[in-house]
Amino acid sequence: DIQMTQSPSSLSASVGDRITITCQASQDIRKYLIWYQQRPGKPPKLLITDASTLEVGVPSRFSGGGSGTDFTFTINSLQAEDYATYYCQQHDSFPLTFGGGTKVEMK
Amino acid sequence: EVPLLESGGGLVQSGGSLRLSCTASGFTFSSYAMSWVRQAPGKGLEWVSSISHTDDRTYYADAVKGRFTISRDNSKNTLYLQMNTLRDEDTAVYYCAKPRGGALRPPDYWGQGTLVAVS
Repeated sequence: DIQMTQSPSSLSASVGDRITITCQASQDIRKYLIWYQQRPGKPPKLLITDASTLEVGVPSRFSGGGSGTDFTFTINSLQAEDYATYYCQQHDSFPLTFGGGTKVEMK
Repeated sequence: EVPLLESGGGLVQSGGSLRLSCTASGFTFSSYAMSWVRQAPGKGLEWVSSISHTDDRTYYADAVKGRFTISRDNSKNTLYLQMNTLRDEDTAVYYCAKPRGGALRPPDYWGQGTLVAVS
């Protein structure tokens, strides 16, 4: 199984800050990495596919990068509505696996 | 319009069974693979199972293999998850999700989830 190591598990930031989350796969997953946003009590929302492709309607302050085993997710100029938990997920092979999540909290 | 609506969750005793349903609308259900993903209270996301659009290929997480069965009825636009021999650690919100094409593709629609509590 492919293990996804996401860090940090939580972070505190202020509106306007730039934050970066990393996700490391235990083996090569090529570009098959997804980033989600999840707010409490809601299902995950798809933000980025294929490591760096922004979903339609997702603000451009969100971005993703990387390939192979190392990936990054960045929010430039954090907004109030961005306080949430973010997950990475590999979809290169079964079993599908998620990172442990990063909770972004207000500083 | 809610494309995916889960039902069937509830409180069940350890060792018991439950069948979840996910009714789809607004897209051609029979053309897409489908998945179940769960989230234990206060925990992260965990993939459970996926099924191809024609029902001929199924995939399971090791944690549920042999106990859960995924199936679908394309004539009813409905996805199922039969859960047997339930354990405390199966307590979670169960989401159905529609991958964008094959079972490995990113899911673009998620249901609101149904809570399964095992005691």
